[in-house]
Amino acid sequence: QKEVEQNSGPLSVPEGAIASLNCTYSDRVSQSFFWYRQYSGKSPELIMSIYSNGDKEDGRFTAQLNKASQYVSLLIRDSQPSDSATYLCAGGRGAGNMLTFGGGTRLMVKP
Amino acid sequence: GAVVSQHPSWVICKSGTSVKIECRSLDFQATTMFWYRQFPKQSLMLMATSNEGSKATYEQGVEKDKFLINHASLTLSTLTVTSAHPEDSSFYICSARDPGPSYNEQFFGPGTRLTVL
Repeated sequence: QKEVEQNSGPLSVPEGAIASLNCTYSDRVSQSFFWYRQYSGKSPELIMSIYSNGDKEDGRFTAQLNKASQYVSLLIRDSQPSDSATYLCAGGRGAGNMLTFGGGTRLMVKP
Repeated sequence: GAVVSQHPSWVICKSGTSVKIECRSLDFQATTMFWYRQFPKQSLMLMATSNEGSKATYEQGVEKDKFLINHASLTLSTLTVTSAHPEDSSFYICSARDPGPSYNEQFFGPGTRLTVL
């Protein structure tokens, strides 16, 4: 089992809809999780971090963590075409909390 | 968030030459920086952890003699790809941790696209 897994997509949603991105992780990953957005040809940009069970909201973004199910998700409300990008889920591991990335999910928001 | 820069943003070199990539933390001191590599349509792979004043820690499968890392100051880490070959062509990205309360968050530089002919 990969340490962090994501569906590669593409996930296509209409403008204004809610986009739901999912990520599962293995026991080798610790309890800190991050969502990054990466536009084509650019480096990743941090969107959200989450460390404890439950929801964490920031503007149009909500991260959800369920440690029992080893599951992390990112909801994007009122999706915009500018949200079209690849979303990377990452989990921290080891004493140095190095990041292990999932393969990323490509999101397409259609006008 | 913390601001990280990289130089150059892209480089084209001939096979067998060495290429140095710089990673700087602009508004904070970073005792630890990270170097990643990303091939087309793939995710980021951690290459090594760069520690200020000490040797870098390389991930399994990464040749430390080929990818030389120097973290000589609290704001600068360099990655040198020695004797580069076409298979080393990739997007190299560094990151640094936020020195503030959100210590676990990593912020990425803009990346360096290396093409080896």
